[in-house]
Amino acid sequence: GAVVSQHPSRVICKSGTSVKIECRSLDFQATTMFWYRQFPKQSLMLMATSNEGSKATYEQGVEKDKFLINHASLTLSTLTVTSAHPEDSSFYICSASDDLAGTDTQYFGPGTRLTVL
Amino acid sequence: AQSVSQHNHHVILSEAASLELGCNYSYGGTVNLFWYVQYPGQHLQLLLKYFSGDPLVKGIKGFEAEFIKSKFSFNLRKPSVQWSDTAEYFCAVNAPRESGGYQKVTFGTGTKLQVIP
Repeated sequence: GAVVSQHPSRVICKSGTSVKIECRSLDFQATTMFWYRQFPKQSLMLMATSNEGSKATYEQGVEKDKFLINHASLTLSTLTVTSAHPEDSSFYICSASDDLAGTDTQYFGPGTRLTVL
Repeated sequence: AQSVSQHNHHVILSEAASLELGCNYSYGGTVNLFWYVQYPGQHLQLLLKYFSGDPLVKGIKGFEAEFIKSKFSFNLRKPSVQWSDTAEYFCAVNAPRESGGYQKVTFGTGTKLQVIP
């Protein structure tokens, strides 16, 4: 089946530094990738949707200058949390779809636990 | 805007009991509906999905869901649960935009199922 990987699985950083999280589709071409944030005991909150080679579409309330998304190839998308602060600590999950409109099944990565000290 | 409600946050069942998890959505038009499952320590993965056709959808591991349009519901069922079904279950929905294309997938808050041997 379709496999999506994320790296790193866990990262701890100091406040003010930037952190990059990678999301890769291992055995299919992901025309659309999604980045979610999951808070404890809450659902997944979509942060942004990206299509390969174009700018990401951010959800309302998500700072695009703080959460930089690059979908440079059909198998790789990156999320960079710039100038991270403790309130950015969360579980970040990516998913990928091979359907351009993103309407079909999403395949999820294992998530990245970010802790900002 | 579309929304998804999962009324049961935590369900505890004994093995062999029957399961029904509720899912209601708010959107008046055509929708795509999904159930995802997250086993402890694993990724989210698709259980089943409904796009059109037979409203009774069968998924993996003996799960099924019934789309009832008049009730805006897509409840998940399994006649006899096993200890290995212990997991968190998420209902999700997306719907077409009036301007074309599809809206983002919206997830419910999840239901934690605990099956006691």
